[in-house]
Amino acid sequence: QVQLVESGGGVVQPGRSLRLSCAASGFTFNTYAMHWVRQTPGKGLEWMTFISSDGSGKFYADSVKGRFTISRDNSKNTLSLQMNNLRAEDTAIYYCTRDLPNTGFDYWGQGTLVTVSS
Amino acid sequence: QSVLTQPPSASGTPGQRVTISCSGSSSNIGSGHVYWYQKLPGTAPKLLIYKSDQRPSGVPDRFSGSKSGTSASLAISGLRSEDEADYYCAVWDNSLTGWLFGGGTKVTVL
Repeated sequence: QVQLVESGGGVVQPGRSLRLSCAASGFTFNTYAMHWVRQTPGKGLEWMTFISSDGSGKFYADSVKGRFTISRDNSKNTLSLQMNNLRAEDTAIYYCTRDLPNTGFDYWGQGTLVTVSS
Repeated sequence: QSVLTQPPSASGTPGQRVTISCSGSSSNIGSGHVYWYQKLPGTAPKLLIYKSDQRPSGVPDRFSGSKSGTSASLAISGLRSEDEADYYCAVWDNSLTGWLFGGGTKVTVL
């Protein structure tokens, strides 16, 4: 069965960096585009970034452009999110999600919590 | 404030029909398909509707979606207690070159 398992969350001070990972299993990882979506406390869902199946295409939300970098290692079935210069407003649960073409985000991980606080 | 506008809340009694709206613009809803997700507390979002009006397998036919112009809607008929959740619309925006989520609508079953 399809599984997405995020890791790497934690408490970090403003201005510092953190790297999230998403381990994928149960499907052919290198044939699917992937995304990171976050949910801030008490607020809604916010799309962060997209990466194509081969890693050549990437898009970012304006709120994280220049600070966050998405990448993938198809040999290890792993999706990553490098987050630099973190701000308090980046505090959220971060989800990785699979993109099924013309169908949407069909599978989601359980999420990993990132808290940015001094 | 989201570019996609949803009412913050909606409610109904068991068995009733509830409709949630999602208003956008020509660069998003007006030019593409809308997707709907259900979010229960402490769980990952779940895809409810894709391509504006299609249901993934396993989603009850009580859930239906529609789109007209720059607006879309999700309808829940035969409301049940387990439908109490947050619902989000989502769409690709050609101007922003990214995905947008609506602000979410909390559905309460009275």
